[in-house]
Amino acid sequence: DAGVTQSPTHLIKTRGQHVTLRCSPISGHKSVSWYQQVLGQGPQFIFQYYEKEERGRGNFPDRFSARQFPNYSSELNVNALLLGDSALYLCASSLSESYYEQYFGPGTRLTVT
Amino acid sequence: SQQGEEDPQALSIQEGENATMNCSYKTSINNLQWYRQNSGRGLVHLILIRSNEREKHSGRLRVTLDTSKKSSSLLITASRAADTASYFCATAPAGTSGSRLTFGEGTQLTVNP
Repeated sequence: DAGVTQSPTHLIKTRGQHVTLRCSPISGHKSVSWYQQVLGQGPQFIFQYYEKEERGRGNFPDRFSARQFPNYSSELNVNALLLGDSALYLCASSLSESYYEQYFGPGTRLTVT
Repeated sequence: SQQGEEDPQALSIQEGENATMNCSYKTSINNLQWYRQNSGRGLVHLILIRSNEREKHSGRLRVTLDTSKKSSSLLITASRAADTASYFCATAPAGTSGSRLTFGEGTQLTVNP
């Protein structure tokens, strides 16, 4: 079975632009979470979605938004990009909302110039 | 903000030696997990230990949890060059959903052949 997939792999954007990152969970997994990992640090939780509803939100500004589709795939949107948004964005899926073990995708490396 | 702190930040050992990494956290937890990350790619789940467990084994991995000290340790026995990676502890705080993990800063392990 395929693991969690994310697209694109790398992305370069300019300050002020908008970006959309995509994630497809493992087949059968209904929960998707997004994490931001700045270089040299551990991942930080951004969002969790389950059954197309937001189930949790981390300490991130409203410029960050996400959604989950009927096939359980998900998008993370970031508006008005700042240099500090440069990071590895990780998507993780799990079987259900309360299932603790997370399966991570390879991430999308976003560089904001 | 990061809940956990890993110690040491970096560890360099020879193949065949044991590697021990420590993690401390601040709040009550439901469980604690360890993940491995190779070269800024996606994270791989290694092991999960619940708050009512004190020790858990998986292959060459041994994890201990001391909830009174809010600390955990990960022991990798008979290390191999392929174990070279960053290792993160992640906690699922009590009262939160399963997917909202709080990661530490990580330990960079280098195993020299």
